[in-house]
Amino acid sequence: RKEVEQDPGPFNVPEGATVAFNCTYSNSASQSFFWYRQDCRKEPKLLMSVYSSGNEDGRFTAQLNRASQYISLLIRDSKLSDSATYLCVVNMGYQKVTFGIGTKLQVIP
Amino acid sequence: SAVISQKPSRDICQRGTSLTIQCQVDSQVTMMFWYRQQPGQSLTLIATANQGSEATYESGFVIDKFPISRPNLTFSTLTVSNMSPEDSSIYLCSVDSGRAKFQETQYFGPGTRLLVL
Repeated sequence: RKEVEQDPGPFNVPEGATVAFNCTYSNSASQSFFWYRQDCRKEPKLLMSVYSSGNEDGRFTAQLNRASQYISLLIRDSKLSDSATYLCVVNMGYQKVTFGIGTKLQVIP
Repeated sequence: SAVISQKPSRDICQRGTSLTIQCQVDSQVTMMFWYRQQPGQSLTLIATANQGSEATYESGFVIDKFPISRPNLTFSTLTVSNMSPEDSSIYLCSVDSGRAKFQETQYFGPGTRLLVL
């Protein structure tokens, strides 16, 4: 089983739609969790941190479920500019982070 | 967050040659990391570079193939040695975010796109 698993997609959604991605992790001792955004041919950039039960930043909401070992990212009112790959990242301690393969989102006009 | 630059941004190289990638940070950082991202894949950690000590390599990566230097707290280099087409990839350096323990994450440089012919 991979340490961090994501559905690679692509998810094709119309503008204005709500879309959600899930990510599962295998190590129950994982300490903290993050969502990164990676645009085509660009480096990953930190989108949100998910420390406890989740957090919200504008149209983006991240949730953590420790019992089931998954985190989710919800995007409301999708914009064309949200089109990107969203990477799930898990910190397993000792300054080591593990990246998921990423979920590709394409928002369609 | 730290500002990170990498040189070169891209290169096309012949097999058998070597390329050294530079990573510069605008502030002092304890840990720097080198990743590889092959087409359609996620990021794979090559090694962790601490100033004043030898780099720590992940399984599948060796110093002879990917020698790393870390001469000070703001700079590191990664060399891809004796290149083959399988080394074609994006190479990214990153730095620790400086957050509290167990909340650490990383910030990335813009990457170096390498094509080996």
